Amino acid sequence: QQPVQSPQAVILREGEDAVINCSSSKALYSVHWYRQKHGEAPVFLMILLKGGEQKGHEKISASFNEKKQQSSLYLTASQLSYSGTYFCGTGLTGANNLFFGTGTRLTVIP
Amino acid sequence: DGGITQSPKYLFRKEGQNVTLSCEQNLNHDAMYWYRQDPGQGLRLIYYSQIVNDFQKGDIAEGYSVSREKKESFPLTVTSAQKNPTAFYLCASRPKPSDRAYNSPLHFGNGTRLTVT
Repeated sequence: QQPVQSPQAVILREGEDAVINCSSSKALYSVHWYRQKHGEAPVFLMILLKGGEQKGHEKISASFNEKKQQSSLYLTASQLSYSGTYFCGTGLTGANNLFFGTGTRLTVIP
Repeated sequence: DGGITQSPKYLFRKEGQNVTLSCEQNLNHDAMYWYRQDPGQGLRLIYYSQIVNDFQKGDIAEGYSVSREKKESFPLTVTSAQKNPTAFYLCASRPKPSDRAYNSPLHFGNGTRLTVT
């Protein structure tokens, strides 16, 4: 039930773009995205719900393909502050829990 | 400001000892959660509670226990039965779900890093 994230790690130069993917083998109702800096709490970025509703920050964009049970997080014009580990969490239809992926470590260098 | 407070930030224990991790929130959230984080494994759910005096096991509840006597507090006890307790533990909360859709974000505490030797 744990979603699969890809890539596991990525290194960008400032200003470059990146896409992080999250896929599940189960029917999804929602996908959450969080960013975590080392040793700190994960911080909420975005929720995508079945049916198209999205909640999140203005500078973050993401997509949710309900048929393929996949979500992608789009990071454009990356900044040094974007560095961290990005987690997707999936809410399954009919389940109370949120299942997290293993994370994607993003490093932005000058 | 409202938030979730976990204490202590670092905790060291000898093998065979029980240890309790504190989690307090002043967000007036009904639901609270404990996650365990190990390198390369993401966040795994230990226990969760959606209402006072009620809680459910998550995916890795063996060797752990919780209580929810107050809405604001959800302490986690790591017992000596937990085979590999060294990890980073995160507490989280959210408003009571209106359904099973998980349509509101989790708010996380800053975590407790437990080391058992």
